[in-house]
Amino acid sequence: AQTVTQSQPEMSVQEAETVTLSCTYDTSESNYYLFWYKQPPSRQMILVIRQEAYKQQNATENRFSVNFQKAAKSFSLKISDSQLGDTAMYFCAFESNNAGNMLTFGGGTRLMVKP
Amino acid sequence: DTEVTQTPKHLVMGMTNKKSLKCEQHMGHRAMYWYKQKAKKPPELMFVYSYEKLSINESVPSRFSPECPNSSLLNLHLHALQPEDSALYLCASSQVGRLHRDRNYGYTFGSGTRLTVV
Repeated sequence: AQTVTQSQPEMSVQEAETVTLSCTYDTSESNYYLFWYKQPPSRQMILVIRQEAYKQQNATENRFSVNFQKAAKSFSLKISDSQLGDTAMYFCAFESNNAGNMLTFGGGTRLMVKP
Repeated sequence: DTEVTQTPKHLVMGMTNKKSLKCEQHMGHRAMYWYKQKAKKPPELMFVYSYEKLSINESVPSRFSPECPNSSLLNLHLHALQPEDSALYLCASSQVGRLHRDRNYGYTFGSGTRLTVV
C-alpha cells in the first residue's frame, strides 16, 4: 500500500516570503499522480498543483511550484511571495495508476502566513 | 460549471433520525466519491462510484448507505448514526481511467456537509 508523509505539522511564514512544504511517499509503481491540495477554513479542498510521475519537468502554477524528486520519492511545494490568503491546511496526495481512482493523503501541514 | 455542490452545509441529527446528504456535479465526471474528515485530519475515503456503480467501499458501517441515481448526483443516506460519526463529509468527482485524463486532471471537491450527531 502507498503511504504519504508530511513531516511538518505546522509552519509559519511572513507575508511576501517563500516557504517550502515537504512531502515524501512510498510506492513501487513507476507512474502515478501527485497533488497538493489546500483547505482553508472555508473547508473546501482546492487543487493547487498536480504532477504526473513520468513527466520530469517540475509543475508550476503562478506562485506555486513543486520540486519532484522521483528517485527520492519526494514532492515538496514551494510557495513564493506568500499572501495572507495562503493560510490553510495543505495536503499532499498520491494517486496510483494501478489502484483506480483512489487518493492517499498525507497528514497535512497547517500553514500560517503572518502579516 | 467546474463545481461540486453539496447540501446541506450543516446538519444536526439525533441518533434515531434518517437524513440524506446530497452532492451534484455537471463536469461530466464519471467517478464520484464520499470522504469523511475529522478535525485536523486528512480526508478518509468511504465510497467510490465509477460509471454510477459502486466500485469501492472502504469497510464503512451499514448505517451509511450511498446511492448514485445518475452520473451527476451522489447521495449518502444516514440512519442510526453515533456521536462519533460527527465529522465533515466531503464529496468529490473526477475523470475515470488513464485514457480519459486530460491536462487538467484532478479531483474536484465540494465544500462539505458539517454533520453533528446528538
